[in-house]
Amino acid sequence: GAVVSQHPSWVICKSGTSVKIECRSLDFQATTMFWYRQFPKQSLMLMATSNEGSKATYEQGVEKDKFLINHASLTLSTLTVTSAHPEDSSFYICSARDLRLRPYEQYFGPGTRLTVT
Amino acid sequence: GIQVEQSPPDLILQEGANSTLRCNFSDSVNNLQWFHQNPWGQLINLFYIPSGTKQNGRLSATTVATERYSLLYISSSQTTDSGVYFCAVITGGGNKLTFGTGTQLKVEL
Repeated sequence: GAVVSQHPSWVICKSGTSVKIECRSLDFQATTMFWYRQFPKQSLMLMATSNEGSKATYEQGVEKDKFLINHASLTLSTLTVTSAHPEDSSFYICSARDLRLRPYEQYFGPGTRLTVT
Repeated sequence: GIQVEQSPPDLILQEGANSTLRCNFSDSVNNLQWFHQNPWGQLINLFYIPSGTKQNGRLSATTVATERYSLLYISSSQTTDSGVYFCAVITGGGNKLTFGTGTQLKVEL
């Protein structure tokens, strides 16, 4: 149980284009989803928190106009990197939590490796 | 904000050896989780352990909340244990996980 998927698993795009990453909870309802970014050999850094049907809450220093997050249903959240630049190349990981089932645990997707050329 | 430091940063073991990984945090926590990030990047939940001791097969964990640290024990290590081990905490009434610095483990034959 508590499986989270991400799509795509890797993507290469050209500078200036936009990329959408999907995060789905497969066997539970995700009342809250989180998006993280991880650079090579570093820890995970939280980018934003989203609750179903609400606007995302972004961490300090994360540009909300660049990283658009939509949490339209209890099983799907999307992260769109707009006007991507090479410095946006990173490993993006989502996680999900079901407040009603296990409120204190997050379950992680397999990640999406983004390369901007 | 809270600081979460892990030690050692890197560890190389021979298969079959035991090891202890440590996680120190600078403030009181409501939630502590241990994760294993495999070489493909997938984070796997190991333990939810805000306090006390838990065991799951060859792995066990202990959190002493009053002294602000947690330990992860790996016994009879196997090559499949290789990867990065993270602890992560939540403080106060929030819901945000703050990840530790990680321990990179390599288990060799």
